[in-house]
Amino acid sequence: GAGVSQSPSNKVTEKGKDVELRCDPISGHTALYWYRQSLGQGLEFLIYFQGNSAPDKSGLPSDRFSAERTGGSVSTLTIQRTQQEDSAVYLCASSLEYSGRVFETQYFGPGTRLLVL
Amino acid sequence: EDQVTQSPEALRLQEGESSSLNCSYTVSGLRGLFWYRQDPGKGPEFLFTLYSAGEEKEKERLKATLTKKESFLHITAPKPEDSATYLCAVQGYGGATNKLIFGTGTLLAVQP
Repeated sequence: GAGVSQSPSNKVTEKGKDVELRCDPISGHTALYWYRQSLGQGLEFLIYFQGNSAPDKSGLPSDRFSAERTGGSVSTLTIQRTQQEDSAVYLCASSLEYSGRVFETQYFGPGTRLLVL
Repeated sequence: EDQVTQSPEALRLQEGESSSLNCSYTVSGLRGLFWYRQDPGKGPEFLFTLYSAGEEKEKERLKATLTKKESFLHITAPKPEDSATYLCAVQGYGGATNKLIFGTGTLLAVQP
């Protein structure tokens, strides 16, 4: 079946502009995650959605970052007033709802490569 | 604070030369340890989940093992197509989150 999809695959923007990154999770997956991968660094957690609510936003680096999820499906990560340090690969993952002792595997999309000039 | 350290940072093997990658972790209650493979320009691809010490899982030339402090990814008779970055991540208890804490990965190059 279809995996996690993200768009755009690449985004080049100028410092100070706003950008929106989109994630389409695997059909039926109720949990959705955003991570960021900077050059030479590991994947860094940003935000977790269960359905349309976000119980954990602890990884968002500043108030310029926000995310929403509608209809329990598509999610958008918005970065306002972009800075050069925001340049990174933004990865989205989805998983089935946590149930009992089975901690569902997170499946990743291909990522959006953001370059802020 | 939950933490994951992977070693070595990079590893070069000849085709057929078996080796192991290490993932050391500290976590306040391990819910699961995950191994992913990441090819250049792509998102991480799931390989294994391990839940408790002593558990082992295998897939083709790969075998993952888990102790209370670390996990190993053993690669037997690797082929050039096994070249990739291998990522380890842990999921711990605590809070209303299922987030993964990742290491920085091991870049594996298998020479023909």
